[in-house]
Amino acid sequence: AQRVTQPEKLLSVFKGAPVELKCNYSYSGSPELFWYVQYSRQRLQLLLRHISRESIKGFTADLNKGETSFHLKKPFAQEEDSAMYYCALKGGSNYKLTFGKGTLLTVNP
Amino acid sequence: NAGVTQTPKFQVLKTGQSMTLQCAQDMNHEYMSWYRQDPGMGLRLIHYSVGAGITDQGEVPNGYNVSRSTTEDFPLRLLSAAPSQTSVYFCASSFTGSGANVLTFGAGSRLTVL
Repeated sequence: AQRVTQPEKLLSVFKGAPVELKCNYSYSGSPELFWYVQYSRQRLQLLLRHISRESIKGFTADLNKGETSFHLKKPFAQEEDSAMYYCALKGGSNYKLTFGKGTLLTVNP
Repeated sequence: NAGVTQTPKFQVLKTGQSMTLQCAQDMNHEYMSWYRQDPGMGLRLIHYSVGAGITDQGEVPNGYNVSRSTTEDFPLRLLSAAPSQTSVYFCASSFTGSGANVLTFGAGSRLTVL
């Protein structure tokens, strides 16, 4: 079975502060990990995927297989980063994507 | 290129009524899926399909039916609506090759069952 845990339902930071959204997963094989984001009144969209190893909107995430984590980080949060963030896992050869429960990030001015 | 189109955007049903949520995509994606989004529960997979004529169950399939007669369309049927099915429903699609799981989401359908 595959499972994604996002321990924080809510996260509030001030503009310019570093932010880290935590994601831990449970899967026995080699997973693919993703971060999806839903801004207010917009559709859910892909933010980044671990195999791309890229930085999107200043966010990065590193897959740590030892700690089974895929935390999302940004050194200096902006107000426009306020959104709901979902970590997601694809395990094995099927196409099913398992989502965590999400973390609502609020960046205060 | 409209992406993923869901209809209706809002629907109110009475317990026991049936209805179909429509989903269409124009990107030639092989994979299509339905999720429900509930507060504190995140997104849960209801049903998915990897091509016309092929469907399978997700985490929470009970009370829902799907079919995939064309590549473009993937309707979700509620057979006998229950208050527990009050939710926001999202349709999402992707390629199955190297673009697998880069999901394109619809705008959502908010369903209330009284």
